[in-house]
Amino acid sequence: DAKTTQPPSMDCAEGRAANLPCNHSTISGNEYVYWYRQIHSQGPQYIIHGLKNNETNEMASLIITEDRKSSTLILPHATLRDTAVYYCIVRPKAAGNKLTFGGGTRVLVKP
Amino acid sequence: GAVVSQHPSRVICKSGTSVKIECRSLDFQATTMFWYRQFPKQSLMLMATSNEGSKATYEQGVEKDKFLINHASLTLSTLTVTSAHPEDSSFYICSAGRTGETDTQYFGPGTRLTVL
Repeated sequence: DAKTTQPPSMDCAEGRAANLPCNHSTISGNEYVYWYRQIHSQGPQYIIHGLKNNETNEMASLIITEDRKSSTLILPHATLRDTAVYYCIVRPKAAGNKLTFGGGTRVLVKP
Repeated sequence: GAVVSQHPSRVICKSGTSVKIECRSLDFQATTMFWYRQFPKQSLMLMATSNEGSKATYEQGVEKDKFLINHASLTLSTLTVTSAHPEDSSFYICSAGRTGETDTQYFGPGTRLTVL
């Protein structure tokens, strides 16, 4: 059972920042927030993860609320190649812990 | 980086035959690998957890005798779909858990199986 709630779809303008929300109100203290994306007919691609602090890497930024009940993935300058399904997943950190995928958000970047 | 490969990328087989799919972690060792299945327009569904040197753990509803998993080394796990039928046609994806600071799972590119 997925522990996260995401909007099923959203459109973004090319060149603009894309803000993808995720609710995880039942997150446990030892659970991290992971973001993956899946471009059509490919395996999911890891984007970023965090525990409670905001995180940034070359792909995106992750903003986690202070109560950790929600987070936002930010793609700073969306391109057409960012069109994909984005999955927000919570799980404990250990590599042996499985990922449970929900429906994700289908993001369409438009020119 | 952390690269996971799968082979083959696409396979078409006749009903009743068996198909083996390989999943390799190319630049890291993976004690645990995972196998997922994805039907069109659906999300990924975990099939089983593959542990190096031990038996796989299957999710509820997944037939262990039909989907044979072998994880003989820290870089290779195989999924064999035995006596495949058209309803087994799907996109099969593996992931490998990179143990360490990030403990992040990385996914293979997937294998498209079509059973005629």
